[in-house]
Amino acid sequence: AQKITQTQPGMFVQEKEAVTLDCTYDTSDPSYGLFWYKQPSSGEMIFLIYQGSYDQQNATEGRYSLNFQKARKSANLVISASQLGDSAMYFCAMREGINNNNDMRFGAGTRLTVKP
Amino acid sequence: DTAVSQTPKYLVTQMGNDKSIKCEQNLGHDTMYWYKQDSKKFLKIMFSYNNKELIINETVPNRFSPKSPDKAHLNLHINSLELGDSAVYFCASSHSDRGFGYTFGSGTRLTVV
Repeated sequence: AQKITQTQPGMFVQEKEAVTLDCTYDTSDPSYGLFWYKQPSSGEMIFLIYQGSYDQQNATEGRYSLNFQKARKSANLVISASQLGDSAMYFCAMREGINNNNDMRFGAGTRLTVKP
Repeated sequence: DTAVSQTPKYLVTQMGNDKSIKCEQNLGHDTMYWYKQDSKKFLKIMFSYNNKELIINETVPNRFSPKSPDKAHLNLHINSLELGDSAVYFCASSHSDRGFGYTFGSGTRLTVV
């Protein structure tokens, strides 16, 4: 069963505006990590931000912040002040548990297009 | 210095051939992975190795065989290539702790003709 759901196949945002990319997840494990990756058209996978299930505060990394709502099992990515270079695929991912038998599972991705 | 390097970057080959993709990481990570990204951009785990031992082997045809000579290397060998094997294959590495994200290689675009 799909554990990571990204419901927006594509999103558009005007340059300099903020955008939220949605991600919901499903797990019964109390210990897990949530991640966002960016994949530009060149194809590489770029790590953006991490949120642990026990973290009390929302993670932030520069213009990226993660809106973590544990009870709703959502981990939305917020990109502030969008730039043209933000146009890419964005993947939400999760690692469950605390041992190395649990790999990272990805959502289907959201294609973000920043308009000038 | 490239943290996770994959070779080759592009691979075009005929059906029925056998090919290998190599992956090396210099990050000191203890776990390495192979993912397949299909034409719809969906990323699916194929294999996971921790300290040279196979941890995860998803439902992958046995034509795919990973080989880990040491914990810095995880190669992927594919026998009898089929058209449906065409995809981008990503190698990644991480620490085994769940709190660590993956560092990905740049991907290998495999095209089977």
